[in-house]
Amino acid sequence: NAGVTQTPKFQVLKTGQSMTLQCAQDMNHNSMYWYRQDPGMGLRLIYYSASEGTTDKGEVPNGYNVSRLNKREFSLRLESAAPSQTSVYFCASSGGGTAAQETQYFGPGTRLLVL
Amino acid sequence: DQQVKQNSPSLSVQEGRISILNCDYTNSMFDYFLWYKKYPAEGPTFLISISSIKDKNEDGRFTVFLNKSAKHLSLHIVPSQPGDSAVYFCAARGAGSYQLTFGKGTKLSVIP
Repeated sequence: NAGVTQTPKFQVLKTGQSMTLQCAQDMNHNSMYWYRQDPGMGLRLIYYSASEGTTDKGEVPNGYNVSRLNKREFSLRLESAAPSQTSVYFCASSGGGTAAQETQYFGPGTRLLVL
Repeated sequence: DQQVKQNSPSLSVQEGRISILNCDYTNSMFDYFLWYKKYPAEGPTFLISISSIKDKNEDGRFTVFLNKSAKHLSLHIVPSQPGDSAVYFCAARGAGSYQLTFGKGTKLSVIP
């Protein structure tokens, strides 16, 4: 099992450009998440999908959109990139059942630089 | 307002000794706590967790202690090994919530 995979690993954008970060998991998990990590900061939740067909905002959703394409895939879209969105983006997933005591498993991250 | 605080940005420990990483939280609604380990250029890896109904959980060399009255938890690593050198994040979740709130992390260096 590959676990959680993310593409691309690294991307450079110019201000105003758009892009989609892809995430897939092969653990048959119901829930998926997008986080960003900035230097000296912990991870902050952007959006999550508790189950296929649902998405909800996290702590820092502004400037982002998400799509839960199917149970395996959860994408994050930047419609008009800004330098403030320079960060490392992590996708995570967690198993079925209730949220209580679920462990989130993370992908390797996508490093995004917006010039 | 930071709800999960890791007040020590870094910690150095000799190989074979105990490493103690601390975490404080302010939100009394948190009822589940996790520790993640992160190497450079990799995603966080789950290490150990504890429910608020317990005060201790062990897994091999790793033990997490929870003091609910003090809103404090700690991760003990015994004995520390050079491969334990990484950034450790404390995270917390409220009952029924999908959202994890992370601390800023503590960089542990285990010196051979």
